[in-house]
Formats: sequence, C-alpha cells, structure tokens
Amino acid sequence: AQTVTQSQPEMSVQEAETVTLSCTYDTSESDYYLFWYKQPPSRQMILVIRQEAYKQQNATENRFSVNFQKAAKSFSLKISDSQLGDAAMYFCAYRRGSSNTGKLIFGQGTTLQVKP
Amino acid sequence: DTAVSQTPKYLVTQMGNDKSIKCEQNLGHDTMYWYKQDSKKFLKIMFSYNNKELIINETVPNRFSPKSPDKAHLNLHINSLELGDSAVYFCASSQVGRNQPQHFGDGTRLSIL
Repeated sequence: AQTVTQSQPEMSVQEAETVTLSCTYDTSESDYYLFWYKQPPSRQMILVIRQEAYKQQNATENRFSVNFQKAAKSFSLKISDSQLGDAAMYFCAYRRGSSNTGKLIFGQGTTLQVKP
Repeated sequence: DTAVSQTPKYLVTQMGNDKSIKCEQNLGHDTMYWYKQDSKKFLKIMFSYNNKELIINETVPNRFSPKSPDKAHLNLHINSLELGDSAVYFCASSQVGRNQPQHFGDGTRLSIL
C-alpha cells in the first residue's frame, strides 16, 4: 500500500524568506502523480502545485516550486518570498497514475507559520 | 460560480440522529469523492463514484451511505450518528485521466453532541 509521510508537524518562516516543506512517499508503482494542497484557516483545500512522476523537470508555480527526487521518493515544496497569506496547513498527496479511481493519499500535514 | 459546493457548512446534532450532507459540482467532472478529516487534520478517502457508480468504499461503516443521483451530485447520508463521526467532511470532484487534480468543496464540519 502506498503511504505519504510529512515529518514536520510545524514550520515557521520569516516574511520574505524561503522555506522548504518535506514529504516522502512509499510506492512500488512507477506511474503516479504528486500534489501539494494548502488548507488555510478558512478550511478550503487549495491545489498549490502538481508533479508527474514521469517528468524529470521540477514543477514551478510562481513562488512555489518542488524538488522531486524519484529515486529517493522525496517531494519537497519550496516557498520563496514567503507572504503572510502563505500561513496554512500544507498537505502532500499521492495518486496512482494508472488508477481509474483517482483517489488521493495524504500525508499528515505541516502547519506553516509566517512571521511578520 | 462555486465549482464544488457542499451544504450545510456546519452541522450540529445529537448522537443517534440521522443526517445528510449534499454535494454538487458544476465542473462537468465524471468522478466525485468523499473525504473525512479527523480532529488531527488527517484526510482519508471514504468513497468515490465514477459516472454514478461506486468504485471506492474504504472500509467505512455501513451507517454511511453515499448516493449519486447523477454525475454532478454525490450526497452522504449518515445513520445513527456516533461521537466518533465528529469531523470535517470534504466532497471533491475530478475528471479521471492523467494529471487531473481534484477540486474540493469547502467542507462540512459535523459536531456530535
């Protein structure tokens, strides 16, 4: 069974600085997708960034980028120029590529605090 | 326009009652999901429907019964509510296919007294 682990329950960063959130996963599949979701206090689940396992290039979305290390099964999220609005809980998620169900398997989450 | 909408946003009720949560998506997606987020914020899949057909039932008690009248709707009915059912329930939808992310509703916070 696939598992996703986020080993940092809480992280903090100074406004305008850079922070990296860690995520590791375990799977025997070669075809899969990885996602980072953000959950602010408002409770919404907002997609931040996604990565296809077959792509070697790391995904980037504005200030958000990932470091995808397939062999190490690691998928970290880097937030550059942190803003107060980035404060939220961040979830790493895995989905099998060949699955017709599309179900997401989530990590435990990391709470990010941004200090002004 | 809201893409995935759930009602109600909050639900407070007593143990033993029966309640329903409704979900609708206007994205034209063919797959819908229910996730449960517990008090420790852990998110876990409960059910998934593809074109009104149940394709995932993750060892959820029989007291939980999803119903999908059409592709755009997936409702969750819970019988004989227990204290342990207190959680936030999220509906989500996606178009099954490569690289298609799931879109989530705003969640329903269910509190059992």
